[in-house]
Amino acid sequence: SQQGEEDPQALSIQEGENATMNCSYKTSINNLQWYRQNSGRGLVHLILIRSNEREKHSGRLRVTLDTSKKSSSLLITASRAADTASYFCATDATGANSKLTFGKGITLSVRP
Amino acid sequence: GAVVSQHPSWVICKSGTSVKIECRSLDFQATTMFWYRQFPKQSLMLMATSNEGSKATYEQGVEKDKFLINHASLTLSTLTVTSAHPEDSSFYICSARDPRRLATYEQYFGPGTRLTVT
Repeated sequence: SQQGEEDPQALSIQEGENATMNCSYKTSINNLQWYRQNSGRGLVHLILIRSNEREKHSGRLRVTLDTSKKSSSLLITASRAADTASYFCATDATGANSKLTFGKGITLSVRP
Repeated sequence: GAVVSQHPSWVICKSGTSVKIECRSLDFQATTMFWYRQFPKQSLMLMATSNEGSKATYEQGVEKDKFLINHASLTLSTLTVTSAHPEDSSFYICSARDPRRLATYEQYFGPGTRLTVT
């Protein structure tokens, strides 16, 4: 069953703008991860945030986690056309080689 | 970073035949691999967890006799779709965790296999 629910389901922005994507989940987690998928391809890991962390940065990516609200957000700053892809949040319940549960995904289109 | 490959990248087969998809970890040994299925414009649904040297663990609702998983070595897991039907057409993706980087919790995904059953 799906754990994460992202919103919006689709987002279209102009190059240079920031893109914010949200994810909500239902059960307790060890960590939450964001992945990117280009059309018809596999997934690429973007960033991970642990349950005891509130915010992390990696390059143009900023992820936040609010365990009290069971929600996370991914911010991509200064977007580029190459950022066009689908983005998924995935929750890891235990961290011990456990399976990931993916949300439905967000389709981001960055217009040049 | 760790690399996972899949073969074939796409396959077309006739209804009633069986298809085998391979998932390989190229530069690390994976005791556990995961198989996902993805329908167009939808999320990834975990089908099963493949364990080297033992039986796979299937998710609820996944037919183990239809989707045969064999993890015969530390670098290879195979998914065989038996007696395929058009509704089995989908994008199948495998992933693995690098045991040298377990603390990162990151999974490495293969490029996927597009299966079309006619």
